[in-house]
Order: sequence, then C-alpha cells, then structure tokens
Amino acid sequence: QSVLTQPPSVSGAPGQRVTISCTGSSSNIGASYDVHWYQQLPGTAPKLLIYGNTNRPSGVPDRFSGSKSGTSASLAITGLQAEDEADYYCQSYDSSLSGLWVFGGGTKLTVL
Amino acid sequence: QVQLQESGPGLVKPSEPLSLTCTVSGGSTSSGSHYWAWMRQPPGKGLEWIGSIYYDGSTSYNPSLESRVTISVDTSKNQFSLKLRSVTAAETAVYYCARHPYGKNSGGFDPWGQGTRVTVSS
Repeated sequence: QSVLTQPPSVSGAPGQRVTISCTGSSSNIGASYDVHWYQQLPGTAPKLLIYGNTNRPSGVPDRFSGSKSGTSASLAITGLQAEDEADYYCQSYDSSLSGLWVFGGGTKLTVL
Repeated sequence: QVQLQESGPGLVKPSEPLSLTCTVSGGSTSSGSHYWAWMRQPPGKGLEWIGSIYYDGSTSYNPSLESRVTISVDTSKNQFSLKLRSVTAAETAVYYCARHPYGKNSGGFDPWGQGTRVTVSS
C-alpha cells in the first residue's frame, strides 16, 4: 500500500491528452511538499520528468506538464506518442512515520 | 554530467547481508548540495525509497527497513554504499542509486544509476 495513490493504468490514442492523478494526504502533498514525476521506459531506470510540481528538466518536451492542488497532483501528457508508453511515478516528502521520501504505486500508460 | 553506477553481487543467500556500492562520476559525494540515495524495485512492482546519506555521514532511512539498513559514504573514493542485513526472497529487486537535492522540498531524484538486479535465493 503506497503512501501516494495512483491509478494502476491509463490509456489513450496517439494525439490525445491523458492525465495521471496522484493522491496524498495532509502529511505529504497537503503539507505543501513538492511533487515530482518520473517516467520509466521498459527495462530502464526511472527518469525525472517533472520536479517541483510544475517544472520540466532540460530536454523534457513541453507535452508533459504537472499541477498540484490540495492533497493531489496530476501529470498531463498532450499529443500522445507511441514512445510515451511507460510507467509513471509520482514522489513527494512525507512528514509522518510512514517514511520520508515516498513514491506512488505507479501508473502504466498504454498508447492504443 | 553526473553519472552513477551500482555494483555488487547479483545473488545473495537468504538471511545473509546484501552489499552494494554506487560510484559517482562527474560530481562529488562531498557536495553539500545533495543527498545520495538508494531505492529498489521488486519485479513487476513499484519503487521504494530505502534511505539517503549526506556527505557528512548523516542518514535517513525508510522506517520499515531502518533496523536492518546501513548506508555509508566514502568521499575519498567518491562512492556510497548500502548494506541490508538478513535479506529474504521478497527482497529480490533491482536496486538503484540516485542523487537528490539537500532539503525536504528541494527537488527530485536525478540522476539515477542504471540499476543492478539482486536475487535472493539459496
């Protein structure tokens, strides 16, 4: 059971827009700790996709965007491409005893 | 740019310790700007943060593992290490090392090593 809750899977057709939610609580996202997102392509290490809720590292396309409100955050991907098919993880800091740096359970994105 | 590389045995027997090392290049473990961290990912499952270390040796561990984990840093070799005692088959996973900014709210894990697969089996 992950501290941050994500849907197990989402899907979309090429060119469409999809969103992935990340729900936390008052000890992590709701406590104003930043949310970061990672993309993990099959067989590879995770890669930082969004940091500080909304910021893209250099080289990440602007098709990827992040937002945060209350105890939740979202990752949006527009203009879906086949190469976006991957697992996506949210991550934040948690001030309770359940752990310090915590991840969501991950969401598998399938491009139809 | 900063690169990290994990190394260590790929097979560990149950109840024995798991020991891994992460070698940092293009950056310094003496940096006061970053933590150095270990994560793991069991086959087909999600990511779990194991713990982080600062250049001065101060550590933070996942409470679920704290009694069995030790993370250490050797700034002279630009390496940091993980030791997990009394492992079980359920701890078979890909183990990753990564860097993250100092502070609770300063940024994500970046970069990551390529990961090393560790199997716990007799």
